[in-house]
Amino acid sequence: DADVTQTPRNRITKTGKRIMLECSQTKGHDRMYWYRQDPGLGLRLIYYSFDVKDINKGEISDGYSVSRQAQAKFSLSLESAIPNQTALYFCATSDSGRSNQPQHFGDGTRLSIL
Amino acid sequence: SQKIEQNSEALNIQEGKTATLTCNYTNYSPAYLQWYRQDPGRGPVFLLLIRENEKEKRKERLKVTFDTTLKQSLFHITASQPADSATYLCALEVSGGYNKLIFGAGTRLAVHP
Repeated sequence: DADVTQTPRNRITKTGKRIMLECSQTKGHDRMYWYRQDPGLGLRLIYYSFDVKDINKGEISDGYSVSRQAQAKFSLSLESAIPNQTALYFCATSDSGRSNQPQHFGDGTRLSIL
Repeated sequence: SQKIEQNSEALNIQEGKTATLTCNYTNYSPAYLQWYRQDPGRGPVFLLLIRENEKEKRKERLKVTFDTTLKQSLFHITASQPADSATYLCALEVSGGYNKLIFGAGTRLAVHP
């Protein structure tokens, strides 16, 4: 079983709809991240959470919100989807024990907004 | 502005040769740099980490160098194999960045038999 699981893997929806992407992890990590990936732009950080009570905006948080329901679960919401939010979305985790930690990624959600 | 650049053109090499990928950055003071591999339809997978006070790091057929004067990291795969074909991403954490990574767009490597 994957350590970082994202659902759904693919989603097609219409402009204006509310969408939730979910991420769960079995690695026991405190830190969780949401990124989007667009061709030619690389991964960009949307939100990050260092524990259940600590949530922070990343580089491109406008139009998104998050919820950290438990140490293992971190959800990303698009309150009113727009076409330029069409992208590949990744959740990642890292250990908080010390600095210089690698991040562990899920396999992504491919989101298309028509 | 802060920027990380990786060659956007695909790198095509013959099996058995050494692949060298470049990561250049500007306006950062990186604490360390990481390299990831990404296969189509999959999330990035961590490969190697190198700290600002390290010049070189090796792991099996992989080697990473880090030159803070040139603001550049090189990623080498020796004796390359078709299974090494993937996109390779570099990522920086700036000093005091609390494990927040800034990613390059990646370079696609194709190793031909």
